[in-house]
Amino acid sequence: NAGVTQTPKFRILKIGQSMTLQCAQDMNHNYMYWYRQDPGMGLKLIYYSVGAGITDKGEVPNGYNVSRSTTEDFPLRLELAAPSQTSVYFCASRNTGDGANVLTFGAGSRLTVL
Amino acid sequence: AQKITQTQPGMFVQEKEAVTLDCTYDTSDQSYGLFWYKQPSSGEMIFLIYQGSYDEQNATEGRYSLNFQKARKSANLVISASQLGDSAMYFCAMRELSYNTDKLIFGTGTRLQVFP
Repeated sequence: NAGVTQTPKFRILKIGQSMTLQCAQDMNHNYMYWYRQDPGMGLKLIYYSVGAGITDKGEVPNGYNVSRSTTEDFPLRLELAAPSQTSVYFCASRNTGDGANVLTFGAGSRLTVL
Repeated sequence: AQKITQTQPGMFVQEKEAVTLDCTYDTSDQSYGLFWYKQPSSGEMIFLIYQGSYDEQNATEGRYSLNFQKARKSANLVISASQLGDSAMYFCAMRELSYNTDKLIFGTGTRLQVFP
């Protein structure tokens, strides 16, 4: 199994440009998450989804959009890139139900906005 | 509102000694889960240990144990017999289980450095 796959791994954007970070998982997990990690900081939740067609805002959703048309894919869209969005972005997924249901993380996507 | 607090930006420990990393949390829910993750310099997130709010015993996983004090709302990670490879960032996280939300929130992390 590939687990959680994020693309691209690195990207440099100019202010005002748009882009989509891709995230795909092959574990049939219902729950998917997008986090950002600023240098030396913890992870902040941007958006999450509990299943196809359902998304919800996290702690820092401004400047981002998501969609979840399939169980496997959860892309994150940046419409008008700003320097404040320079960060490492992590996608994660997990199974449903109680208990640990540990998050499986992707390797991260490093985005720089100049 | 749900909140995770890690008050130690950095910790040092000598190899083979034990170290405790602090984590306090705030939630109004009765059902929740607490996690610890390790992030080495390579950047990946590695799951270490989990404690459910209804678990009566402290969780243990090899050299990792979670000191869960529910009344104090603390979930400290104890690493016994530290190794040089334990040098990394450590994040505490909480999953809040309510009928209309399922979020996993992280603390700001503690950087642990193990010296010989």
